[in-house]
Amino acid sequence: AQSVTQLGSHVSVSEGALVLLRCNYSSSVPPYLFWYVQYPNQGLQLLLKYTTGATLVKGINGFEAEFKKSETSFHLTKPSAHMSDAAEYFCAVKTAGNKLTFGGGTRVLVKP
Amino acid sequence: EAQVTQNPRYLITVTGKKLTVTCSQNMNHEYMSWYRQDPGLGLRQIYYSMNVEVTDKGDVPEGYKVSRKEKRNFPLILESPSPNQTSLYFCASNPQQGGRTDTQYFGPGTRLTVL
Repeated sequence: AQSVTQLGSHVSVSEGALVLLRCNYSSSVPPYLFWYVQYPNQGLQLLLKYTTGATLVKGINGFEAEFKKSETSFHLTKPSAHMSDAAEYFCAVKTAGNKLTFGGGTRVLVKP
Repeated sequence: EAQVTQNPRYLITVTGKKLTVTCSQNMNHEYMSWYRQDPGLGLRQIYYSMNVEVTDKGDVPEGYKVSRKEKRNFPLILESPSPNQTSLYFCASNPQQGGRTDTQYFGPGTRLTVL
């Protein structure tokens, strides 16, 4: 069975600083990996996804993530945090069919 | 506008009183799913449906029922709600049954409180 671990349930960054959210997965088959963002009182919105091909994936709002098979990781980064990045972020993996397995989520606080 | 809608958005009820949360998508998607979100646990799948009249259990199906009589609708039914079903619920849809690369589209969520 697959699982997803997000290190750190809360992350605090200063505006303009690097945002780094960590995601590690376990899977016995090649995974398809996703990052979703949830703004307060809203549903989940896709940030980016890795399926095949280039391991560095660019998403919306300046976010990117790199798939590292050897490390079973898919960390999310953004070079410069903006106040509007305050939200909860979820890493998820698909192995079979359409089922998404989610990590526990990381809430990002951006300090002015 | 392509979207997944859920109703109601907020619901407070009492133990044992049957309730239904509706979910509808206008994208002609085959696959639909229900998740519950709890702090620190992320989202966990309750039930899913590959197509009309085809449903199956996810990771946490106990205490829930679903039906898929039409392609666009996938209601979640709690026959006898209990306080441990207090949670935030999301409906999602996917274009294809086996579309692993497909993006799942999520509804806005239903916050349920069972007293």
